[in-house]
Amino acid sequence: QVQLVESGGGVVQPGGSLRLSCAASGFTFSSYGMHWVRQAPGKGLEWVAFIRYDGSNKYYADSVKGRFTISRDNSKNTLYLQMNSLRAEDTAVYYCAKDTTVVTPVYYMDVWGKGTTVTVSS
Amino acid sequence: DIQMTQSPSSLSASVGDRVTITCRASQGISNYLAWYQQKPGKVPKLLIYAASTLQSGVPSRFSGSGSGTDFTLTISSLQPEDVATYYCQKYNSAPSLTFGGGTKVEIK
Repeated sequence: QVQLVESGGGVVQPGGSLRLSCAASGFTFSSYGMHWVRQAPGKGLEWVAFIRYDGSNKYYADSVKGRFTISRDNSKNTLYLQMNSLRAEDTAVYYCAKDTTVVTPVYYMDVWGKGTTVTVSS
Repeated sequence: DIQMTQSPSSLSASVGDRVTITCRASQGISNYLAWYQQKPGKVPKLLIYAASTLQSGVPSRFSGSGSGTDFTLTISSLQPEDVATYYCQKYNSAPSLTFGGGTKVEIK
């Protein structure tokens, strides 16, 4: 079945870095755009970043632009989020999510991973 | 940036009640709106896209309507398993993909 499994979360000090991974299975990963979405404790959903199926375009929320980098390795069916210059407000559960349509993105998400928790604290 | 405002932020209704949640965009977004359901401790689930198209497998008691700036999600007969927080999301212009603040639905 279609599955997304995130990893790489943890506790990091302000200003530190972390790389999240999302392993995909059960679908043709290389044909779909992918998103990162986060949810701070007790708060709502916030879209973070998107990458096209072939990595040719990447988009970021203003809140993470210049600090976070989304990437993918289609040979490994894996999505990444490199997070640098982390702040307390980046504390959240980070979900990877699959865009709904093949190749041409629609920018809404039909499959979500269970998430990985990032805590930024000294 | 276009803001998405949901109302109410929470509601309590009885089993069998008709429940309506509103999502308002600060500018017109045509029908580029999706709705998600997030049950307590669970992952978000896509319910509706294109404002009114039900995602495969979603019960028919859920429906969506609206276009432009005003949208609604309706649960025709609230069930205990519908206890969740519901989010709208606009997707009319990448890279700005914005979620509403959420509406928490509880059983009275």
